[in-house]
Amino acid sequence: AQSVTQPDIHITVSEGASLELRCNYSYGATPYLFWYVQSPGQGLQLLLKYFSGDTLVQGIKGFEAEFKRSQSSFNLRKPSVHWSDAAEYFCAVVADSWGKLQFGAGTQVVVTP
Amino acid sequence: DAGVIQSPRHEVTEMGQEVTLRCKPISGHDYLFWYRQTMMRGLELLIYFNNNVPIDDSGMPEDRFSAKMPNASFSTLKIQPSEPRDSAVYFCASGSTVPFTEAFFGQGTRLTVV
Repeated sequence: AQSVTQPDIHITVSEGASLELRCNYSYGATPYLFWYVQSPGQGLQLLLKYFSGDTLVQGIKGFEAEFKRSQSSFNLRKPSVHWSDAAEYFCAVVADSWGKLQFGAGTQVVVTP
Repeated sequence: DAGVIQSPRHEVTEMGQEVTLRCKPISGHDYLFWYRQTMMRGLELLIYFNNNVPIDDSGMPEDRFSAKMPNASFSTLKIQPSEPRDSAVYFCASGSTVPFTEAFFGQGTRLTVV
């Protein structure tokens, strides 16, 4: 069965420091991969997506992610975090031809001054 | 487009009452999801539709839950009777399969059953 794993439930990072969130997936075919962000009380907003092509994808708010097929990973990075980046981040994969979207458990990011 | 619109944004109801959550997907989208989010279980996919047809409802927790999509512009999720453990945030999301797009999420409905 397809699955998405986010190993880190909670990450604390200082403002201005770099951030990397891990995501691993288990899926037989070439997956469609996504990172979403959720601020408190809000819906999910797409940060970036990978369908095909260049394995390094750029997203909004200065985020990027790299697809590594050999490691079944799609890690999210940001070189310098801002206090406004405090939120929950979800990795997701399309799990079938109908577009069924399967989410990881999420990583809560706390930004300290 | 105004995005995916869910109503109501907040709902407080008494145990045993019927609750109906509504969703208007983005025009032109052909797939729609209903998700439930809780602290304990995270984001759970309840049901998804493609071209108004339910494709997979294996995530619907029990017979008290039902979902319909009578046309491309409207979907409902009904809970009857409601129970306190149904308290959660319910999200609707829509997208397109041709060409394939990401899922666009509504703001959610926060349901509290007392």
